[in-house]
This record gives sequence, structure tokens and C-alpha cells, in this order.
Amino acid sequence: GENVEQHPSTLSVQEGDSAVIKCTYSDSASNYFPWYKQELGKGPQLIIDIRSNVGEKKDQRIAVTLNKTAKHFSLHITETQPEDSAVYFCAATWDYKLSFGAGTTVTVRA
Amino acid sequence: DSGVTQTPKHLITATGQRVTLRCSPRSGDLSVYWYQQSLDQGLQFLIQYYNGEERAKGNILERFSAQQFPDLHSELNLSSLELGDSALYFCASSVALTGPGELFFGEGSRLTVL
Repeated sequence: GENVEQHPSTLSVQEGDSAVIKCTYSDSASNYFPWYKQELGKGPQLIIDIRSNVGEKKDQRIAVTLNKTAKHFSLHITETQPEDSAVYFCAATWDYKLSFGAGTTVTVRA
Repeated sequence: DSGVTQTPKHLITATGQRVTLRCSPRSGDLSVYWYQQSLDQGLQFLIQYYNGEERAKGNILERFSAQQFPDLHSELNLSSLELGDSALYFCASSVALTGPGELFFGEGSRLTVL
């Protein structure tokens, strides 16, 4: 099955700075890579996703890059704000069985 | 609000007991997924149902079972509970049977086994 590794496990950034979270996956057949954000006491929510035929996707302050050759993908958050503080999960799949990374706790310091 | 409803939100029980967690998917979603989130761990896929039928199984213990009813709500049954079963259990729903797509998660049921 798919194995997704995510780093770092925790990330503290100054408000306004950028945050980068990196993930690697094992199954070369994976073709869909979503990122979920989990706020305290809530379920994860999709914030951005990318498919294998695209190398980069951007949505306002967040962007995701994918390197299929190296089997890794990254989440970039620019101009971080306090509301970006949450746990972020990457995931990978080639069918409907998403495999999630262990999560990154992001803290944005005011 | 994702539109996915999970009950109960919190549950405390003893080892050896059995509990049932309930999930109502978003209106129109036919697929229901169950995930387990333990402390300091990611989301572990347990099982998926589509329109009443089991479609995929992950790391689900034999002591656990699930079903999806004709009205599309789903229940996860956990029996012979052990301390290690303490976790947050999430239900998610989606429109599709196959193919990647967005999962809509409920707020979870926190199970504490004492």
C-alpha cells in the first residue's frame, strides 16, 4: 500500500513569514495529492489538491508543488496569519483510498 | 460545517465493552469512510462503504465492524475494547465511488477506553 511521510512534525513561524511542509510517497501509481487542514476540535478540511499531470497549483496564499520523479510534494503557505495555525495533513492516492501523512502542527507567532 | 454529522462527540467506556459510532453523510454523498486518529498519529483508513456495500478495507481490526444502511448513514461498531482503542474516529463522505476526490469529514467521535 501507499506510504506517505511528512516533515516536519511541528513548525513555528513568525506571522508574515512563509511555511513549507514536505511529503514523500512510495507508490509511483499515485496520481492525486490533497492537503487537509485540521483546526482544533474539528475534522480535516481540504485546502488544496494537485493531480499528477500538474507540477504546481496555487490558490491565493497557498501553493502545492509536485515532483513525480522524486515522489515528493510540498505545501507552501506565504504571508502566514494567526488563522493558519492548525494541523496540516498531506495525502496520496491512486484510487479512493487516501493514505495520510502523520501531520504537521503549524503555529504562527504574532 | 462539512454537512457530515457524527454522534456521539465524546464517549467514555471500559475495557471489554462495545460501542457504536454513528455517521450521517452529506446529502447526496454515497460513499462513507471511517478513519482512526490516535495521539500523535495521522489518519488511519479503516473502511469504506458505497451505497450500502463495503468497497475497501484498510487497517481495521477484526473486533471492529461497520455497515451502511439504506438511508446511507453508517455505523462503526467497536467491540472487546482495549485501552489502545482510545482515539478520535472520523467519518468522511464523498460523492464518488472510485477516483480521487474531496472527502468531507465530520467533527469526529472521541473514544476513551478506561
